[in-house]
Amino acid sequence: AQKVTQAQTEISVVEKEDVTLDCVYETRDTTYYLFWYKQPPSGELVFLIRRNSFDEQNEISGRYSWNFQKSTSSFNFTITASQVVDSAVYFCALSRASGAGSYQLTFGKGTKLSVIP
Amino acid sequence: EPEVTQTPSHQVTQMGQEVILRCVPISNHLYFYWYRQILGQKVEFLVSFYNNEISEKSEIFDDQFSVERPDGSNFTLKIRSTKLEDSAMYFCARKSWDETQYFGPGTRLLVL
Repeated sequence: AQKVTQAQTEISVVEKEDVTLDCVYETRDTTYYLFWYKQPPSGELVFLIRRNSFDEQNEISGRYSWNFQKSTSSFNFTITASQVVDSAVYFCALSRASGAGSYQLTFGKGTKLSVIP
Repeated sequence: EPEVTQTPSHQVTQMGQEVILRCVPISNHLYFYWYRQILGQKVEFLVSFYNNEISEKSEIFDDQFSVERPDGSNFTLKIRSTKLEDSAMYFCARKSWDETQYFGPGTRLLVL
């Protein structure tokens, strides 16, 4: 069975602060994908990043960066110089990458980020 | 990449009524998913649909649910006899070639 844990339920930061959202996962699969999605107040789910289990390189995209550590089963997400528009619920998700099945996503419970101006 | 569109955006229904939620792919994809998000909770997998057949379904997807692709393009989720606890946001997603799932805007269902 797969499991994703986002221990931080809610985080509040002041604009321009850096913030890290934690994600810890459990899986028996040897290959898998990890994802982050953003859910703004309007409700849609916006894809942010996909990471293969065999690729542990960290990734940076503008103010966003991701730290994947297989040894600790973590895939953390950092927003640098946060902005009010970053206020949203952020979901970490996991799917299989091989074998039978449809590779559906297993989501964490989400972290609600509030950026205060 | 474009996602999918969903109709209606909101639906209010009485308990016991049937509802049909629609997912319209923008281009011709084979793999689709339905997920549910009860207010304030995490997103949960319901069912996957590949090449016009159910590929996999979760424990949530019981006999009151069904999916089909009636006209080869629209992809529907039917809830036969709605219950209060079916109130949720329902998302359709399609899978890209790189295994990324892109979500539609969702249908907010309220059962009274």
